[in-house]
Formats: sequence, C-alpha cells, structure tokens
Amino acid sequence: IAGITQAPTSQILAAGRRMTLRCTQDMRHNAMYWYRQDLGLGLRLIHYSNTAGTTGKGEVPDGYSVSRANTDDFPLTLASAVPSQTSVYFCASSARAGDEQFFGPGTRLTVL
Amino acid sequence: GQNIDQPTEMTATEGAIVQINCTYQTSGFNGLFWYQQHAGEAPTFLSYNVLDGLEEKGRFSSFLSRSKGYSYLLLKELQMKDSASYLCASSGGSYIPTFGRGTSLIVHP
Repeated sequence: IAGITQAPTSQILAAGRRMTLRCTQDMRHNAMYWYRQDLGLGLRLIHYSNTAGTTGKGEVPDGYSVSRANTDDFPLTLASAVPSQTSVYFCASSARAGDEQFFGPGTRLTVL
Repeated sequence: GQNIDQPTEMTATEGAIVQINCTYQTSGFNGLFWYQQHAGEAPTFLSYNVLDGLEEKGRFSSFLSRSKGYSYLLLKELQMKDSASYLCASSGGSYIPTFGRGTSLIVHP
C-alpha cells in the first residue's frame, strides 16, 4: 500500500458498544491525527500524536482515546459509543507536526 | 486560541475566476493551509503559505497577509470538477492546524 488507510469504511453500532477505528500509514510520517467531520461544523480535531509514543488532546477529545505504539498505526477507540458520536472520521498524517496533512478515505460511523 | 472564518457557500460560472477568502486569529501563527474536498471524499492538500504574498500553482493561487490575518484562494479558468468544498486551516504555536468550516463552491455551466 502507499499512503494512509482506514478501517472499517463504514459501521453501524449500537449505543454503549466499544469500537476501535483503525488507521495505518506507510509513509513513515511522524505526526498523525484523528478528526471528525459533521455537516456545518467542519473538521474538528479529536486527538493527535506528534511522534510514536506520545499523544495529545484536540478540540473534542471526550469519549475517545488513542494510542501510538509505533510509527505506522494510530487507532481511535470509542469506549462506550453514544449517538452524538455519529460522524465521518478522518485519520491524517504529516511528515512532522505543522506540515501538510495526508488524509485517509474516512470511516462513516452511525451510533444508534 | 484560534478562530477561522470563511464563507459558507459560493457559486461561479465555468471559465470564470473565483476568490475564496479566509480570516484567522491564531496565536503563534505558523502557516496557512488550503485543502480541497470533493463530496464523499477525503480532503487533499492544495497550498501552504507562511510568508506574505502570493503563491501560484497552476490554476490555483493562494495569498497571505499576516498583518491582516487574511488569506485567499484564487481559482482561475474554473472547471466543473472544481465544484468542491475548500477548507482553510491555520497552524499556531503548537503546530496543530485548526480548520475553518469550509466553503462549498458550486461551478455551473
């Protein structure tokens, strides 16, 4: 693969269930990000990681957690999904923090 | 903190020129990005400005005035495929960009 991938493409989830969205990049980028995109609200940062082993909170971190055990993978976990977490989730990476970002194809999540 | 403003929607005619404005208030400003996003797809990078002035890249140009907290994206010789959302994002002291809500551009024949 070349670039950044996300899985699953889409998911319907019952409220209260745990869900992990996967993100993998093969560009050896140091920085990775998770955004949610909702109609009329644009892209909002959930969590980010400037380098493997470190993570930080973005604008809307509540209800989400991330880990960065290695350079390539940056999973996003919803511990107990709620309907307000229905959204399109984009993972992105950049060579370094502050560089142009490359986005994955997105995961469309519906929480019922 | 950071605050980004851009128009919600614009319309233009095929072959014309359109300018999409973006104003920002960013602590420790480190650069201004423009991304293009077609419906149902991921954003893709268009341009980056960190110094004042105009950066030209084919039919697309981006301008920055740091003293005014202002940028614009200029699209020339509009094509139907340019119908998309255009996202302005500013990078501050943390180097983490904040995105505006995007400008939906509709190009009609």
